[in-house]
Amino acid sequence: EVQLVESGGGLVQPGRSLRLSCAASGFTFDDYAMHWVRQAPGKGLEWVSGVSWDSSSIGYADSVMGRFTISRDNAKNSLYLQMSSLRAEDMALYYCAKGTSSMTTVMNYFDYWGQGTLVTVSS
Amino acid sequence: DIQMTQSPSTLSASVGDRVTITCRASQSISSWLAWYQQKPGTAPKLLIYKASSLETGVPSRFSGSGSGTEFTLTISSLQPDDFATYYCQQYNFYPWTFGQGTKVEIK
Repeated sequence: EVQLVESGGGLVQPGRSLRLSCAASGFTFDDYAMHWVRQAPGKGLEWVSGVSWDSSSIGYADSVMGRFTISRDNAKNSLYLQMSSLRAEDMALYYCAKGTSSMTTVMNYFDYWGQGTLVTVSS
Repeated sequence: DIQMTQSPSTLSASVGDRVTITCRASQSISSWLAWYQQKPGTAPKLLIYKASSLETGVPSRFSGSGSGTEFTLTISSLQPDDFATYYCQQYNFYPWTFGQGTKVEIK
């Protein structure tokens, strides 16, 4: 059974940093690209970032480019999102999602999702 | 970026109704479209990929159609478990983009 378990969310002041983690199990982690998708309260889904199976290809939404850094550790079956210079508009539930391709910029939809971790940005 | 527009934003229907949701892309995405269902407090669930391919385990009352710029998700006979928000997502052009969602409510 595929499981994606996010952690690391919490309350953070504007301008500060936070690191999210996602622990994956039930599939061959290093065969697939992995992604972060977020959902602001009461809003729709927004793809945030993705990383290819071997970390050679990484992509970001314009809204987080230069502030967020995605990474993965295939030995630990884990995905990470380092978020810095956080803004009020970054407040959202952050989902870890398994891609359906090994490359982040090629034909990815999301067949498994974690339960999400909530990031609250407020002073 | 490709813009995905869903209609309607909200839909009121009764159990047993046939329900259709439309998703339009700002340019042709061939058949590279997925549909997700999201219930309150839970993660999205993949229903359909490649416009019309049913994900394993998804009831056959769900179907998808379309290509190019116009797509539909149809629920042939709405069940109580189907009241949820539905999202389309294109995966032809990076970055991946979603529609704004269609909430299916009880009439």
